[in-house]
Amino acid sequence: ETGVTQSPTHLIKTRGQQVTLRCSSQSGHNTVSWYQQALGQGPQFIFQYYREEENGRGNFPPRFSGLQFPNYSSELNVNALELDDSALYLCASNPKTGDYEQYFGPGTRLTVT
Amino acid sequence: AQSVTQLDSHVSVSEGTPVLLRCNYSSSYSPSLFWYVQHPNKGLQLLLKYTSAATLVKGINGFEAEFKKSETSFHLTKPSAHMSDAAEYFCVVSVAGRRALTFGSGTRLQVQP
Repeated sequence: ETGVTQSPTHLIKTRGQQVTLRCSSQSGHNTVSWYQQALGQGPQFIFQYYREEENGRGNFPPRFSGLQFPNYSSELNVNALELDDSALYLCASNPKTGDYEQYFGPGTRLTVT
Repeated sequence: AQSVTQLDSHVSVSEGTPVLLRCNYSSSYSPSLFWYVQHPNKGLQLLLKYTSAATLVKGINGFEAEFKKSETSFHLTKPSAHMSDAAEYFCVVSVAGRRALTFGSGTRLQVQP
């Protein structure tokens, strides 16, 4: 059974650009969540997808958007990048059993210059 | 609303001595509580979870935590620290019906030889 994978591992973008981060959920998991972890802080919930629909959202502006595909892989898109978007972006998936623990990928480190 | 407070941002212990990482939670409903660990440049790994069963929860790598409703606490302990335990530890709460995990600010555990 493979775990949650994310790509790319590192990314450098310029302010104002757009970025797409990708995630493959753990096998058998149909719910995916995205978190932003700024340096020295705990992760902050961005949003969650369940069966290709947004299923909850944190306090992030609309320029943060996402997609979930039929194979349960997911994308996080961020438009009009700002310097404060520099962070580690974590993807996590839930088992179908409905347990609330989530299993995290290794993250994508985004640097905005 | 739900939240967690990790009472120590940094804990330093000697190898072979006990570890105590403190966490208090706030929740309007019966919470599910977790501890996650994050090693440098790695993703988050689930250490243990409490979901309204036994109040003393055993996790991986010799860690355990006790849910105390009267004190709204969920402290993480380990009898004997190993060098490999040096990492960032996050106390996390989730409430039935909510989509997100809410993370504390983290405790950095340093293990001295």
